[in-house]
Amino acid sequence: QVQLQESGPGLVRPSQSLSLTCTVSGGSVSDPGYYWSWIRQPAGRELEWLGRIYASGSTKYNPSLKSRLTISLDTSKNQFSLNLSSVTAVDTAIYYCVRDQPAIFGDYFDYWGQGTLVTVSS
Amino acid sequence: DIQMTQSPSTVSASVGDRVTISCRASQSISTWLAWYQQKPGKAPKLLIYKASSLKSGVPSRFSGSGSGTEFTLTISSLQPDDFATYYCQQYYSDLVYTFGQGTKLEIK
Repeated sequence: QVQLQESGPGLVRPSQSLSLTCTVSGGSVSDPGYYWSWIRQPAGRELEWLGRIYASGSTKYNPSLKSRLTISLDTSKNQFSLNLSSVTAVDTAIYYCVRDQPAIFGDYFDYWGQGTLVTVSS
Repeated sequence: DIQMTQSPSTVSASVGDRVTISCRASQSISTWLAWYQQKPGKAPKLLIYKASSLKSGVPSRFSGSGSGTEFTLTISSLQPDDFATYYCQQYYSDLVYTFGQGTKLEIK
């Protein structure tokens, strides 16, 4: 059973960077059969896919965040990470790390972390 | 981006009822659609992928149908554990994956 666990600060100051790490167990981020994504959900709002990374390190980002977002991989720790720069209050959300199940065109998401709330506030 | 619109936003039903939730895509997505269930304070869980394929372990009272732009999630006989919010997600566009706004299933 694949399990994912997010970790990182719960409070980030405006204009600073938001950094989160996802630790994977029961599976490997080096597995060529899957991608690994970050998804967020502002309170009471819909889910927003942020971006994904593959075992090779190749990435794909949501165009709306591309200029601020970096996703990276640490295979030695079986982790992947998110860094979102220049945050504002609109970045306040629950952030989920997830495993992508690739299909012909795109991915759906079959395993999710429990989520971590990040609040952007001074 | 492909926009996903769910209806209704909220549905009230009783245990044992048959419930249908709709999801419409702003352009054709063939059958590249998934459904998720989310309970308060929890992460979403995958129920259905490719519009009608049930994830292993998901009860058979859940079913999905549709293709193109119109999709439906049906719960054949509501159980107490089914009261939650349901989201659809398209994965036809590899540019960005998008979700519906959610349908909250409440106890009548």
